[in-house]
Amino acid sequence: RKEVEQDPGPFNVPEGATVAFNCTYSNSASQSFFWYRQDCRKEPKLLMSVYSSGNEDGRFTAQLNRASQYISLLIRDSKLSDSATYLCVVLTGGGNKLTFGTGTQLKVEL
Amino acid sequence: DAGVTQSPTHLIKTRGQQVTLRCSPKSGHDTVSWYQQALGQGPQFIFQYYEEEERQRGNFPDRFSGHQFPNYSSELNVNALLLGDSALYLCASSLKTANYGYTFGSGTRLTVV
Repeated sequence: RKEVEQDPGPFNVPEGATVAFNCTYSNSASQSFFWYRQDCRKEPKLLMSVYSSGNEDGRFTAQLNRASQYISLLIRDSKLSDSATYLCVVLTGGGNKLTFGTGTQLKVEL
Repeated sequence: DAGVTQSPTHLIKTRGQQVTLRCSPKSGHDTVSWYQQALGQGPQFIFQYYEEEERQRGNFPDRFSGHQFPNYSSELNVNALLLGDSALYLCASSLKTANYGYTFGSGTRLTVV
């Protein structure tokens, strides 16, 4: 079983749609949780951290359920510029190691 | 404030050769981690360097080795290259006392032929 599992997609959605990505992780000792965005042939960039209480940044909402070892990302009012791969990331190894999911590809279309 | 700088950006090597990739961390960062990202996959942790020592290692063979210099910059060396080593190699820097402030470089794309 992979340490971090995501649906690879692609998710093809029309502009303005709401889209949700899910992720599960296997290491219950994981310390911190993130969503990263990666554009084609570019480096990953931090989109947002994820907290148990849920957190929101504009059109983006992230949620963590430690009991179920489940992380989610909701994107509202999708823009063409949201097209990218979204990586679910968990910090483990005593805070030394980022473990990435395979990534979920999002394509927002006119 | 310079971010993470990696060199070279692209590289083509022949099977069996050796390669050295370089990384300069973001100003103020003291820790460097290396990741390998194969096409269609998420980045995989290779190892992390802090205080010029390898602190943690992922599931990579001994052909992968590294070094950190007193100025915190780092090198990744790969010996006896295989076709399967073709990937994007990413360097991420951070501050040891901050577990979440990772900054990635734009990577080195290695092609082994």
